[in-house]
Amino acid sequence: QQQVKQSPQSLIVQKGGIPIINCAYENTAFDYFPWYQQFPGKGPALLIAIRPDVSEKKEGRFTISFNKSAKQFSLHIMDSQPGDSATYFCAASIVSNTGKLIFGQGTTLQVKP
Amino acid sequence: DGGITQSPKYLFRKEGQNVTLSCEQNLNHDAMYWYRQDPGQGLRLIYYSQIVNDFQKGDIAEGYSVSREKKESFPLTVTSAQKNPTAFYLCASRGPPGSPLHFGNGTRLTVT
Repeated sequence: QQQVKQSPQSLIVQKGGIPIINCAYENTAFDYFPWYQQFPGKGPALLIAIRPDVSEKKEGRFTISFNKSAKQFSLHIMDSQPGDSATYFCAASIVSNTGKLIFGQGTTLQVKP
Repeated sequence: DGGITQSPKYLFRKEGQNVTLSCEQNLNHDAMYWYRQDPGQGLRLIYYSQIVNDFQKGDIAEGYSVSREKKESFPLTVTSAQKNPTAFYLCASRGPPGSPLHFGNGTRLTVT
């Protein structure tokens, strides 16, 4: 019940395309859903995060869509660029708890020029 | 410049040796975490500490040990009991509940 399942494992799009990465969770107590971006040899960095009281959040070209009833959330990258090529992780946690994040398996995105 | 420093970036050890990975933060965060990253498996929690002199096991604590004697420091020891120690190790810290995790740039450990 603590798992977060992420798909696809890898994704290749052309520049300007809209890659979509999906995550699903089981634990309905989760109330914080961040997405992290990781470049090779670096630690993950927070990209965008959402709470379950909203269905969508946008920050620049990045959008999270959240479906509480389906227990799913997804990341959309608008007008993708080669510089967006990285590994993306979704995660979930309970804010009032220890703050420990449960991560998805990761998606490696390649944006071709 | 506030952040998390992990050292060294690369570490090589022979099987059977214990090795300690360093993690230092100057963000004044109470909570600190150690994650292990393997290809295709995401990040898995090894240990975490919410306050000095206290820490708890994560999901994969076997073969690892930690200490939290200072707020700024949370070293991880990979013992010879860890069956598959070769991995990328990430340290993170967090401010108040609800604030995001900040990660260091990791230590890649190779055991042969």
